[in-house]
Amino acid sequence: AQSVTQLDSHVSVSEGTPVLLRCNYSSSYSPSLFWYVQHPNKGLQLLLKYTSAATLVKGINGFEAEFKKSETSFHLTKPSAHMSDAAEYFCVVSEENFGNEKLTFGTGTRLTIIP
Amino acid sequence: NAGVTQTPKFQVLKTGQSMTLQCAQDMNHEYMSWYRQDPGMGLRLIHYSVGAGITDQGEVPNGYNVSRSTTEDFPLRLLSAAPSQTSVYFCASSYWTGAETQYFGPGTRLLVL
Repeated sequence: AQSVTQLDSHVSVSEGTPVLLRCNYSSSYSPSLFWYVQHPNKGLQLLLKYTSAATLVKGINGFEAEFKKSETSFHLTKPSAHMSDAAEYFCVVSEENFGNEKLTFGTGTRLTIIP
Repeated sequence: NAGVTQTPKFQVLKTGQSMTLQCAQDMNHEYMSWYRQDPGMGLRLIHYSVGAGITDQGEVPNGYNVSRSTTEDFPLRLLSAAPSQTSVYFCASSYWTGAETQYFGPGTRLLVL
């Protein structure tokens, strides 16, 4: 069975400083991994995805994530936070299950940006 | 394209009342799904459909019914609302079941008193 653990429920950083949102996963097979972002009162938007190609994945808005199989991690980073990055972020693992892909969502990390 | 639309945006129900949450997409996606989002629990899959006339249960299907008579629409029915169904509900669609292609609607916030 697959699972996702987002290690921090809330992260606060100052504008212009680096962002690190941590995600660990558990999967029986070779998973696909994703980060989604949810701005207040909005639906989820795909930020980036890992599907067994390059281990360093670049996404939208300057975010990137590195897949580390040995550590079963897929942490999300950004070199310099912007006020518009304030949102909730979800790490998602996907496994194929009898022809369908089963998605498992993490519990989310709320990112606050301090002016 | 309007993408994925959901109505209503907000609803208050009394225990035992029934209602239907509407979801529509104009992207000709085969796969549609319903999730509920609760604090500290991420998103959990309620029901999904891989095409018109085909539906299946997800992780938390109890208390909810779905049908898929057209490709575009995937309504979620609460037959007898309970306070435990207070949540934010998201509809999503994609060409297939891959997470990378999922498009989410803006959500329906439901409060059951």
